[in-house]
Order: sequence, then structure tokens, then C-alpha cells
Amino acid sequence: NAGVMQNPRHLVRRRGQEARLRCSPMKGHSHVYWYRQLPEEGLKFMVYLQKENIIDESGMPKERFSAEFPKEGPSILRIQQVVRGDSAAYFCASSPPMTVGAGEQYFGPGTRLTVT
Amino acid sequence: QKEVEQNSGPLSVPEGAIASLNCTYSDRVSQSFFWYRQYSGKSPELIMSIYSNGDKEDGRFTAQLNKASQYVSLLIRDSQPSDSATYLCAVNRGNMLTFGGGTRLMVKP
Repeated sequence: NAGVMQNPRHLVRRRGQEARLRCSPMKGHSHVYWYRQLPEEGLKFMVYLQKENIIDESGMPKERFSAEFPKEGPSILRIQQVVRGDSAAYFCASSPPMTVGAGEQYFGPGTRLTVT
Repeated sequence: QKEVEQNSGPLSVPEGAIASLNCTYSDRVSQSFFWYRQYSGKSPELIMSIYSNGDKEDGRFTAQLNKASQYVSLLIRDSQPSDSATYLCAVNRGNMLTFGGGTRLMVKP
């Protein structure tokens, strides 16, 4: 029973390049969340998606960042024209459908992005 | 005021002692509360969830919730050096979670 999978685990990009981070949720989970953790800082919510829908992107920077969760395949967080300040750990979490409140979120191993 | 507040620590306890971690939250309508453990360089790991006032026990861990005081706590009994980590409190905001900054726990042998 595989957990949340993320790849790549480590990604190095030069300033101005694009970064693509992938996340496959746990089996049976239809909700995907992306978080960013800067060095020595807490987890910051970025975006919440269900299949083919962005439910809440209130935590996403307005420019250069986008996310999708297509009908088939993993969720993708895309960062265009990366800058050094984008260097961080990016975590994906998934949860089962829930009716009230928030379900238990299970985290993937993360992608450590380094911008040189 | 931050939505979810935790003392950053470090909280240092001797091996075998009880570690008490605290968290306060600002949104009175929150219904779901979680504790995560995060080792340095690793991803957060869910250790407890609690939805109703009172205590919930799981092994050496006990979560306590007091909605009237907007307060959640985590007790770790018989603390072990392997419990040394950062503990994150998370509270729902609608369908999403807001995390506190975490409390670093150090268990000394």
C-alpha cells in the first residue's frame, strides 16, 4: 500500500529555468495539497486540488507558480523562471474525501529544490 | 495574532519523563486538530488526530482538546531520545490545514 509519492526528491535549477514537481496521492485519496517549507520556517499552504479542479490557491504566489491535478496522472506544481528565493522543500499531502472539517493529511517525502 | 501558535522551544526533557507540548488556535469554528512529528530533513508524519473535547490516547501519546479555551496539547509519556523532533500542531480552516511553527523537543538520555 504505497504512500504519497513525490519526484524528484532533489532538484537543482539555475535561475530562470522551470521546475516541475510531481505528486501521486495515496490510493483512495482524491484531495491533494501542496506546501512549501523554507529553511528554519514552518509549513505554508500553497494550493488544494481535487481531480481536474483547483479548490483553493490562496497560498500560491500570484506569478510564476501554477498547479494542476489532471484526470489521469500525478499532480504537478510548476514554477517558472525560478529565483533563489524559491529554494525550499516542497511537500505534497493527500487526504481521503471528507464531509466535515479536514481529513487526515499524509505527506510525501518532499522535493528539495535548490536554485543556483 | 497567528492562526495557530506554538512555543518554538526547544523543550528539553530527560529520558523517561513526560513531554507536554501546547498549541492555541484562533478560529473558533475549527473542528479538526492534528499533531505531526517532523525529524530534521524529513517530511511531517501524522501521529494524532482529535475532533472532540477531551483526551485521546494512542500508545505513549495523548492528545487533549479544549475548544472553549481554543487549546490543543500533546503529551508524550516515557519520552525516548528517538522522540527528539519538531512537533507541528495543525488546525483545519474549512477543508484545509493551518500549521503552527512547531515546537522542537529534545529528549536527553
